[in-house]
Amino acid sequence: AQSVTQLDSQVPVFEEAPVELRCNYSSSVSVYLFWYVQYPNQGLQLLLKYLSGSTLVESINGFEAEFNKSQTSFHLRKPSVHISDTAEYFCAVSERNSGNTPLVFGKGTRLSVIA
Amino acid sequence: EADIYQTPRYLVIGTGKKITLECSQTMGHDKMYWYQQDPGMELHLIHYSYGVNSTEKGDLSSESTVSRIRTEHFPLTLESARPSHTSQYLCASSEGGGAGLGNTIYFGEGSWLTVV
Repeated sequence: AQSVTQLDSQVPVFEEAPVELRCNYSSSVSVYLFWYVQYPNQGLQLLLKYLSGSTLVESINGFEAEFNKSQTSFHLRKPSVHISDTAEYFCAVSERNSGNTPLVFGKGTRLSVIA
Repeated sequence: EADIYQTPRYLVIGTGKKITLECSQTMGHDKMYWYQQDPGMELHLIHYSYGVNSTEKGDLSSESTVSRIRTEHFPLTLESARPSHTSQYLCASSEGGGAGLGNTIYFGEGSWLTVV
């Protein structure tokens, strides 16, 4: 079975400052990794995912995450945040090549961007 | 943008009432899911379906039930609501392979249920 640990429940950061949201996972098999974002009063939407290939993946709005197999981590970073990035961010893992394995989510990290 | 819809968005009901949370998707996805999320907590899978007439219980035990009579529709029912059922319920769907084959899961906006 897989599990996900998001080390920070809340991260306040000033606008235009860099941010890192930490995610560690546990699994005995190979995995796919995902970051989902939930803006206020909305459902979750996919931000980015790692399937294979380059360990650095990017989203269209400037976020990036790096898969580190040795540290079992998939931290999310952005060099300069905007007010509009204020949201809840969820890291998730699924067992690779298993069509019948649902996603396992972390508890989420609430990012608050301060003007 | 995902085409998955949940109604009602917000509901306050009394203890003992029967409630059905509706979920519909227009993407033709075979796999559908119900997650339960308490504020500040992780999402817990309570039900899932791999297609019509297929339903399974998830990791978190739930007193709710689901049905999948049509591909696009996956309603969740509580026969007798209790205050412990107060939570946010998120419906989701994915393409045939699901997250285990790297597919994206698409979420509805959620249904906030309060039982008083």
